[in-house]
Amino acid sequence: AQSVTQLGSHVSVSEGALVLLRCNYSSSVPPYLFWYVQYPNQGLQLLLKYTTGATLVKGINGFEAEFKKSETSFHLTKPSAHMSDAAEYFCAVRPFSFSGGYNKLIFGAGTRLAVHP
Amino acid sequence: SAVISQKPSRDICQRGTSLTIQCQVDSQVTMMFWYRQQPGQSLTLIATANQGSEATYESGFVIDKFPISRPNLTFSTLTVSNMSPEDSSIYLCSVERDRAQETQYFGPGTRLLVL
Repeated sequence: AQSVTQLGSHVSVSEGALVLLRCNYSSSVPPYLFWYVQYPNQGLQLLLKYTTGATLVKGINGFEAEFKKSETSFHLTKPSAHMSDAAEYFCAVRPFSFSGGYNKLIFGAGTRLAVHP
Repeated sequence: SAVISQKPSRDICQRGTSLTIQCQVDSQVTMMFWYRQQPGQSLTLIATANQGSEATYESGFVIDKFPISRPNLTFSTLTVSNMSPEDSSIYLCSVERDRAQETQYFGPGTRLLVL
């Protein structure tokens, strides 16, 4: 079965430090890949996505992610954390099957990012 | 993208009662989905709301507990029936404008507490 793993349920960084949130997927065919952010008491907002083409994807709020097929990873990074980045981040995949094409979204467990002064 | 609204934004309900959550989109979309996010957890797909026909439910979710309507291409409702405290969750509506878009957009969610 297809799955997505987010390493680290909680990540804490200092303001101005590098943010790295890890996401790995299990799939023999590269799926579509997404990162969503959920701010407190809000819904999910799309940060960025990878479907095809350039493997380094830039998103909103200075975030970017790189698709690495050899590592089955799609880690999210931001060079300099801001206090406003504190939120829950979800990696999601849309697996591919030869019979049905790209299927439903599967979400990782989420990583809560804390940013301290 | 899409502008999605949900009503109510939050509610506190007594066990044994039912609550209907509405999802409205600012333009016609092909696909509408309902998710549940239990406290401190990730999202789980409840069902796909099909326009003009019965919803397609995921394993572990049944129509009697979560009846869904989708009368047109911009509106859907999810009812949580005969509620128990275990139903306390955030319920999120999401939409996909068309299959080629590849991307789902989410509403703000409805925060439900069952006492």
